[in-house]
Amino acid sequence: QSVLTQPPSASGTPGLRVTISCSGSTANIGSKYVYWYQQLPGAAPQLLIYRDSLRPPGVPDRFSGSKSGPSASLAISGLRSEDEADYYCSTWDDSVSGPVFGGGTKLTVL
Amino acid sequence: QVSLRESGPAVVKPRQTLTLTCTFSGFSLTARGMCVSWIRQPPGKALEWLARIDWDDNKFYNTSLKTRLAISRDTSRNQVVLTMTDMDPVDTATYFCARTLMVATSKMLDSWGQGARVTVFS
Repeated sequence: QSVLTQPPSASGTPGLRVTISCSGSTANIGSKYVYWYQQLPGAAPQLLIYRDSLRPPGVPDRFSGSKSGPSASLAISGLRSEDEADYYCSTWDDSVSGPVFGGGTKLTVL
Repeated sequence: QVSLRESGPAVVKPRQTLTLTCTFSGFSLTARGMCVSWIRQPPGKALEWLARIDWDDNKFYNTSLKTRLAISRDTSRNQVVLTMTDMDPVDTATYFCARTLMVATSKMLDSWGQGARVTVFS
């Protein structure tokens, strides 16, 4: 059972916008940066968003991250079929000096 | 270009020790802020961080698995090795290594290997 809670599934129609939530606490999300990872089917995770809202080079600006208090969100606009993947939120756990991950959200593009 | 690749046995028997090797290129593990982590993912389940080794050879472990894990590095060969003792069928998972950047207040796994699938089976 992760300390970060994500909905197990989400879905959206091509071209529209979908949001994935990540709920934590003031001890994790509320005081640490949030990272998002995208895992395409059969592939390794890849960094999608870092420091709450920044995109690594090559990540389209259709992907955006935000945070408010103990919760964070990943928004995907202009949804495309290739966005169908599992999405994981993550923060840093100082007690072990390592990341904690949410349970993951499986995004289906209808 | 940063690249990481995991290697190791696809099948181990219960109570055996698993040894996985991460061979990387495109960065130096002795450069400040550079680290390598191991993460696993049981079939159909979420990611779980296991261990990390830093540029200064400091090592960190998942608390619940600490007694079974050991991480080490060979900087001359650009390799990081993870051993996990007393393997059990519940340890069946894909094991990933990932470069971990510790830069200022950013701590992120920015490049991942393709993963090594390990099945614990007698």
